[in-house]
Amino acid sequence: QKEVEQNSGPLSVPEGAIASLNCTYSDRGSQSFFWYRQYSGKSPELIMFIYSNGDKEDGRFTAQLNKASQYVSLLIRDSQPSDSATYLCAVRAGGGTSYGKLTFGQGTILTVHP
Amino acid sequence: KAGVTQTPRYLIKTRGQQVTLSCSPISGHRSVSWYQQTPGQGLQFLFEYFSETQRNKGNFPGRFSGRQFSNSRSEMNVSTLELGDSALYLCASSGLTFRDRDAGANVLTFGAGSRLTVL
Repeated sequence: QKEVEQNSGPLSVPEGAIASLNCTYSDRGSQSFFWYRQYSGKSPELIMFIYSNGDKEDGRFTAQLNKASQYVSLLIRDSQPSDSATYLCAVRAGGGTSYGKLTFGQGTILTVHP
Repeated sequence: KAGVTQTPRYLIKTRGQQVTLSCSPISGHRSVSWYQQTPGQGLQFLFEYFSETQRNKGNFPGRFSGRQFSNSRSEMNVSTLELGDSALYLCASSGLTFRDRDAGANVLTFGAGSRLTVL
């Protein structure tokens, strides 16, 4: 079992729809969860992070965390063609001070078509 | 505020050679992490440095090494290059973001990467 698994893509949604990206993780001690977006040929850029159970909203993006189910998701409302990218789920283990080590999922390719 | 700067952006080497990549973190960030990204394995953690000390290391052979200088700039070195070392090498610096100064999440900000091709 991979440490961080994302729903296999690619995911295609029409413009204006809600895109739902899912991620599960195996380490129950994980404390911080991140969503990065990576455009083709570019480096990952942070969209959101979440570390408390529940929802966190930022503009069109909502991250949801359920630690009991070891599940984190990202919802993109009113999807735009510019949202077309690979979305990476990343998890940081709890304890210690190694803030720089994240475990990434394989990524989900999202395409938003006009 | 300048971002994470990586040099060189692109480089081509042959098997058996060695390569050194450089990373300058965001001003004020003291933690620098390195990642390797390949189509098959995705993003994998190489190592992290904080205040010139290696704090954590991923599951990579000893041919991969790094260091950090007193100004927080970091270098990574790969010796005896193999074809499988062809990848995008990403550096990330860590610190509280301006917007989330109370979050304690220590988000990673990535540089543009160094794309290494081994022939």
